[in-house]
Amino acid sequence: KAGVTQTPRYLIKTRGQQVTLSCSPISGHRSVSWYQQTPGQGLQFLFEYFSETQRNKGNFPGRFSGRQFSNSRSEMNVSTLELGDSALYLCASSLAGQGLTDTQYFGPGTRLTVL
Amino acid sequence: AQSVSQHNHHVILSEAASLELGCNYSYGGTVNLFWYVQYPGQHLQLLLKYFSGDPLVKGIKGFEAEFIKSKFSFNLRKPSVQWSDTAEYFCAVGRSGSARQLTFGSGTQLTVLP
Repeated sequence: KAGVTQTPRYLIKTRGQQVTLSCSPISGHRSVSWYQQTPGQGLQFLFEYFSETQRNKGNFPGRFSGRQFSNSRSEMNVSTLELGDSALYLCASSLAGQGLTDTQYFGPGTRLTVL
Repeated sequence: AQSVSQHNHHVILSEAASLELGCNYSYGGTVNLFWYVQYPGQHLQLLLKYFSGDPLVKGIKGFEAEFIKSKFSFNLRKPSVQWSDTAEYFCAVGRSGSARQLTFGSGTQLTVLP
């Protein structure tokens, strides 16, 4: 079974631009979560989508948004990019069932560099 | 808000040495606990997880972890490390019923010398 895939793998943008990152979950997984990983702040939860609805949101400004499609694929968008948005953005998918099935599996990430 | 502490930022061991990485969390309710590993150049992989039941859980590659509720701890152990265990290890905590919103520790970089 294929793992979580993320596109693109690398992205370079300039301040003020916007960016869209894509995530395809493991087949059959219904939940997609996004995390930001930086050397200074570590891994931080951005938001989670299930059944095309945002279920949980982390402590990030409104410039960070996302959505989920009916096939469970998800996109996240960052508008008005700032230098501090440079990070590895990780997507994780889960069956979103009960108990042990509620485990997240991570993709390789998209490395975003803001110049 | 919950938080996760990994006290060791960098651990250096020789092959065959025993490993214990500490993880403590601050949350009074029921939690789900995870250890993830990130090998050089690879993505985050699940090592093991605890949801309920036996507090001693076994994971892949000979790793195990013990949940001690009274100490709010979930320490990772391996009796004999190998050079291939060189990686960064992350402890993560999710509230019961919300395991898809994880709080991660800052990570421990493990270097195993051949």
